Formats: sequence, structure tokens, C-alpha cells
Amino acid sequence: SQQGEEDPQALSIQEGENATMNCSYKTSINNLQWYRQNSGRGLVHLILIRSNEREKHSGRLRVTLDTSKKSSSLLITASRAADTASYFCATDTGRRALTFGSGTRLQVQP
Amino acid sequence: SAVISQKPSRDICQRGTSLTIQCQVDSQVTMMFWYRQQPGQSLTLIATANQGSEATYESGFVIDKFPISRPNLTFSTLTVSNMSPEDSSIYLCSVEDGGRDEQYFGPGTRLTVT
Repeated sequence: SQQGEEDPQALSIQEGENATMNCSYKTSINNLQWYRQNSGRGLVHLILIRSNEREKHSGRLRVTLDTSKKSSSLLITASRAADTASYFCATDTGRRALTFGSGTRLQVQP
Repeated sequence: SAVISQKPSRDICQRGTSLTIQCQVDSQVTMMFWYRQQPGQSLTLIATANQGSEATYESGFVIDKFPISRPNLTFSTLTVSNMSPEDSSIYLCSVEDGGRDEQYFGPGTRLTVT
């Protein structure tokens, strides 16, 4: 069963705007990872944030983690048409295997 | 990061047949994982495969339906047995980069059962 939910389920924005996706989970975690998937292809690893971290940056990506609320957010700044994809959060509870959220479909309009 | 390949990349199979999916990694890894992604859905873990031991299956997945082999530290196979249209999915293998805890995925095998 899925660990949590992501919202929104779908998001449509214009190029240049920022996109924010939220992920909630249910149990304590060791780390949380974000992935991108283009049109049913393989998953691209974006960023990992550990349970003792609150924020991480990678290029145009900013991830936050609030373990007290069991939630995380992914911010993509200055979005591009090439960012159009599905984005998934996934949690590692210590088992090493990941439990995925439901995903957010992002559409960036040129 | 590890480079992972899967074979086949896609296949169309008849109901009642079996398909074996191969996963090859370019480095030795302790843990390999198999996931399923049904159409329009998120990923669900099928099983964890460690070299030298039986695979550990998640609730709802059984060895008779999804037998897994893990003969060495760079290779694993997943067989989808006695297929039905409900098995139509993308099947992905993944490995963990033990030093950094990041998990990387293969390109997936898109299976269609008719």
C-alpha cells in the first residue's frame, strides 16, 4: 500500500513560474526521495533528504521536510517545458525498499 | 550512480504464458528491488532480492506468480507467470547506492498481456 499522498494530483503552469508539489506520509522515515518520470519511462532520481534535514537544494529544486507533520514539498523554480513529467515522492522507513506516493502530474505550458 | 539495464524493454504476451525480465547493474550491489507500476498508477514494491537468500515478497505478491532469481551481485530476474491482462504494467528494478542511500531505477519493462 502507498505510504502517502501527493497533492495536487495534477498541476498546470506557465513556463517561468514556480511549481510546488506536496507529499504526506504516514510513518517515521529514514529518508525521503523525489523522482521524475517522463511519459511512463524510467524514474530519474532528483534528490534525497534525510530525516534529520529540513531543507536541501539542487539546481532549480528545493526540497523541504517536516517530520513533525510527516510532510515534504518539492519546489521547482523557473519551470521549463522540459519539466513536464510526473513527480513522485518515496519514503524509506529503514527497510531500504521505498514506498511511493501517488504522484503529481506537472504540465508546463510554453 | 549505478547504471541499470533491463531486458526486454517491452513485450506483448499472450494470456497464460510467462515472461522473464532481466536486470543488470554495472556494479556490485547488495540489495535489488522489483516494483510494478500499473497503468496510470504509482509504483508498488513486489519484492526485495538479496544475493544468496530467498526474495522477500510484499503483501499481495507471491513467489509462485513472481519468482525471482538473484544469482550474483550484479544480476536479477523477475518472472511474471501465468499472465493475465491484469499483469499489464511497467516492471522496474532498482538498486540502492549503499554509500548514499539513494535508490536508482532501471528503464523499466513495459508488459502488455492480451
